[in-house]
Formats: sequence, C-alpha cells, structure tokens
Amino acid sequence: DVKVTQSSRYLVKRTGEKVFLECVQDMDHENMFWYRQDPGLGLRLIYFSYDVKMKEKGDIPEGYSVSREKKERFSLILESASTNQTSMYLCATARPLQAGGVTDTQYFGPGTRLTVL
Amino acid sequence: GNSVTQMEGPVTLSEEAFLTINCTYTATGYPSLFWYVQYPGEGLQLLLKATKADDKGSNKGFEATYRKETTSFHLEKGSVQVSDSAVYFCALSAAGGTSYGKLTFGQGTILTVHP
Repeated sequence: DVKVTQSSRYLVKRTGEKVFLECVQDMDHENMFWYRQDPGLGLRLIYFSYDVKMKEKGDIPEGYSVSREKKERFSLILESASTNQTSMYLCATARPLQAGGVTDTQYFGPGTRLTVL
Repeated sequence: GNSVTQMEGPVTLSEEAFLTINCTYTATGYPSLFWYVQYPGEGLQLLLKATKADDKGSNKGFEATYRKETTSFHLEKGSVQVSDSAVYFCALSAAGGTSYGKLTFGQGTILTVHP
C-alpha cells in the first residue's frame, strides 16, 4: 500500500511566521503535488514536482514556495503566513503518465489543517 | 482552461436510496476523468476512473460513464449506505505529457446518508 504522511494534522501559526509543511511518501513515486482544500472551492493545485529539485507552479502559487531535495520528500513553505492561508493542505503522489499519456492515480496524505491567527 | 462543475450540495438521503451526483467538465482534447472520495478526517482516495469516451468506471457499487457528447461523468449508486457518507470530488486530468497528471477538481459534494 502507498503511504503518504504529512508532518502535522493540525497546526496553528501567527501572521508573519514562516511555516513548513512536509510530505513523505514511501512508494518511490516521481510526481508529488500540494493542494489546498477550501469549502465550496474543492482542491486547488499550489505546486507540483515531477523529479528531485524540479518544480512547477500550479494554479495558486502566490505566497508559497516548495522544496524537493529528496525523491520521497516534498515540502511546502509559507514564507510569511497570512490569515487567508488558513486552510486544509493536502499532499499527493503519483507515478508518471502511463502508456498513451494516461494519468495514474494520485495518492493523498491525511491533510494538515493550518490556522493562521 | 480546464474546469469541472459538480452539482450543488449537500445531499441528504435515506439508506437504500438511489444516488446521483452530477459532474460536467470543460477541457480540450480527451481528458481522463475521476471520482475521488474523502471520508471524515481522511485524505482523498480514488473511487473510480475512466480514461476514454464511453468507458464506465465502477467500484464499491458506484458507477460513472464518460460521456463525451454531453461532457459529463455523473456518479451513481443504486442503494446507498450510511458508510457512504463522505465528500465526493469529480476531477479531470488533461491529456498529454506536459500535463504531468495534474488534476482539476470540482468543488466537492457532501453526502450524508441517514439510517
């Protein structure tokens, strides 16, 4: 079974703090993703990585950065947390596209609920 | 750009009722389509998927058919159980290597099933 773990289930931070959210996977997947989940908006992609040290912006990258120094670990960084970054953050992993360009299943961690005061 | 629209929720049903959650999409080319489910306190997990037109995905009694002519992928189950209470997300992944398998999600539909 794929296991995707996130460093914290709940986190409370203050405005202006630097926040690190970590995601670790044990399935040797190349692709890793960070989403935020907000009621009525579904999941929105923040950043993704398709290889070590490689990263691409998603749909809402502003205010975030990422780091992938090892294949199994993908970190999301909030450089200066703000109240509008209060949300549920979900990490996911997947193998590369399959034959014919077919998308593989994404496997999700349990999420980190971040509150910024 | 790509987008996914799900029916407004929340949906409340009695046990053994029939379930339909509508999902329509906008995308270029031939995307893959997915339904993910999120049980309380957990991350998302794949429920079913379809990768080409007229494909039917099925799992745990749930079904959805990829309809290219109506750009839809509606989720159905003939008889829901209390344990099906969860949030359901429709998603698509654009075709092609440069997509890297990124998913575009709908807003989610909360389903509550009462005994």
